[in-house]
Amino acid sequence: GAVVSQHPSRVICKSGTSVKIECRSLDFQATTMFWYRQFPKQSLMLMATSNEGSKATYEQGVEKDKFLINHASLTLSTLTVTSAHPEDSSFYICSAFTGNEQFFGPGTRLTVL
Amino acid sequence: AQSVTQPDIHITVSEGASLELRCNYSYGATPYLFWYVQSPGQGLQLLLKYFSGDTLVQGIKGFEAEFKRSQSSFNLRKPSVHWSDAAEYFCAVAGGQAAGNKLTFGGGTRVLVKP
Repeated sequence: GAVVSQHPSRVICKSGTSVKIECRSLDFQATTMFWYRQFPKQSLMLMATSNEGSKATYEQGVEKDKFLINHASLTLSTLTVTSAHPEDSSFYICSAFTGNEQFFGPGTRLTVL
Repeated sequence: AQSVTQPDIHITVSEGASLELRCNYSYGATPYLFWYVQSPGQGLQLLLKYFSGDTLVQGIKGFEAEFKRSQSSFNLRKPSVHWSDAAEYFCAVAGGQAAGNKLTFGGGTRVLVKP
């Protein structure tokens, strides 16, 4: 089946630093990837849609300058949390869309001290 | 705007007993409906989906779901649960292919399985 990886799985950083999270589709190409955020014991909230070769589309209320998304190739999308603050601590999940189904990565736990 | 409600935050069920997870959606047109399972350390896995056709949908791991348009529901069922079914379950709705399959998730239901 289609496999999506995320790296790193966990990251701890100091307030004010930037953190990059990678999302890779390992055995298929995805022109569209999605980034979600999940707070503890809550549901997934769509942050943005990442399209290969074009700018990401952000959901209402998501700061595009804070959450930079780059979809450089058909198998890689990156999410950079810039100038991270403790309130950015969360579980970030990506998915890759095959045109028929979304396949999800295992998530990245970000803790900002 | 589309929305999904999962009324039960937690459900505890004995191993071997039946399980039903409720899902109600709000969407103006014909919805694309999904059930996902999330286990610790693993990504969300698709259990089943409904696009059109037969309203009773069979999925993986012995799960099934029934689409009821009149009730705006898409409840998930399993006749006999196994200890490995303990996980978080999410119902989701998409606005169709034209919307790029953007998913709106319900709040989730955590299933605990008693031996």
